[in-house]
Formats: sequence, C-alpha cells, structure tokens
Amino acid sequence: KQEVTQIPAALSVPEGENLVLNCSFTDSAIYNLQWFRQDPGKGLTSLLLIQSSQREQTSGRLNASLDKSSGRSTLYIAASQPGDSATYLCAVSPSGNTPLVFGKGTRLSVIA
Amino acid sequence: DAGITQSPRHKVTETGTPVTLRCHQTENHRYMYWYRQDPGHGLRLIHYSYGVKDTDKGEVSDGYSVSRSKTEDFLLTLESATSSQTSVYFCAISAMSSYEQYFGPGTRLTVT
Repeated sequence: KQEVTQIPAALSVPEGENLVLNCSFTDSAIYNLQWFRQDPGKGLTSLLLIQSSQREQTSGRLNASLDKSSGRSTLYIAASQPGDSATYLCAVSPSGNTPLVFGKGTRLSVIA
Repeated sequence: DAGITQSPRHKVTETGTPVTLRCHQTENHRYMYWYRQDPGHGLRLIHYSYGVKDTDKGEVSDGYSVSRSKTEDFLLTLESATSSQTSVYFCAISAMSSYEQYFGPGTRLTVT
C-alpha cells in the first residue's frame, strides 16, 4: 500500500528565506506527483504536477523536483513571503486517472 | 478552478438522518472523486467515478454511497449519518489531458 510522508509537519521561517519542503513515498511505481496549497478553511489549489518521466517543474518562485527511484520529491520556495503561509500537500497517483494518495502536509508560516 | 462547485457548503445534521452532498462540474470531465479531510488523517478517498453509472470504492467507503446519473453531477450520500462522519468533504476531477486533479471548495459537515 502506497504511503506518503511529509516532513516536517510544521515549519516557521522569516520572510525572504529560501526553503524546501520534503515528500517521500514508499512505492516508486507512480504515474505523477502533485503539490497542492491549502489555506485555512479553504479548498486545495494545485501548484505543480510532475509526470514520472520528469525531473522537475517550475512555476514562478516554486520549483518541484522528483526522484522517482528513491521515492522523494521536494518543493523549493524562493524568497518566501508572508502570503506563502499555508499548508502544502503532496500527493501521488499510481496511474493517470487513479485517485491520489496524500501526505498529511507541512504547515508553513512565513514571519514578516 | 476547473468549474467545480459543491453544495451545500456547510451543513449541520443529526445522527441517523440521511444526507446528500452534491458535486457539479461544468467541463465534462470523466473522472470524479470524493475525499474527506480530517485532522491527523489528511485526505482520504471515499468513492470515485470513471463515467456515468461507473463507480468504485475507496479507502473509507463504509457508510457512504454514490451515484452518477449524468457526467456533470456526482452525489455522495450518507444513508444514516454518524458523528464519525463529521468532516470536510472535497470533490475533485481529473483533467483528461494532463491527469492533474482539481478540487472543489469543500463541504463542512457536522453530525450532532
């Protein structure tokens, strides 16, 4: 059974710092990996999708990498801002349209 | 936001009553999912659908049923609500071109 782990569970950093969020998964047979952002009391917003054949994806200040063989992904946030404060969730899919398996998230606080 | 709406957005109901949550999408996606989100457990799959009248169970399907009589609507029914079903319920779709999943705004259900 696929398990997804996100460490740390919570992280607090000063504004402007570059930071890395970690995601690991137990079964390397994934089709894709998706990073989401969730603000308190809100839904999930998709940030980045990495196909299993890709090594990384970038969107603005965000960069996600994937090392499928070692079962790891990282989300790099450059020059963090207070508006980046949210919970970040990692999820993997065994094949294209199968349901996602989620980690429990990392709660990020960026302090001004 | 992939044109996903959920109704109701908030509901309080009593133990033993039936409850139906609705997910509506406007973009004709074939795959739709119901997840629940609980503190300490993260997001878990309840049921999903891969077409009209085609559904399958997820990790936490006990006590829930689903129906999909047309492409745009996916209904989740709690036949007899229990306090353990107090949760936030999210609907999602999978985009056919990229398999990226997009989520609705959620329904907060409280069973008293």
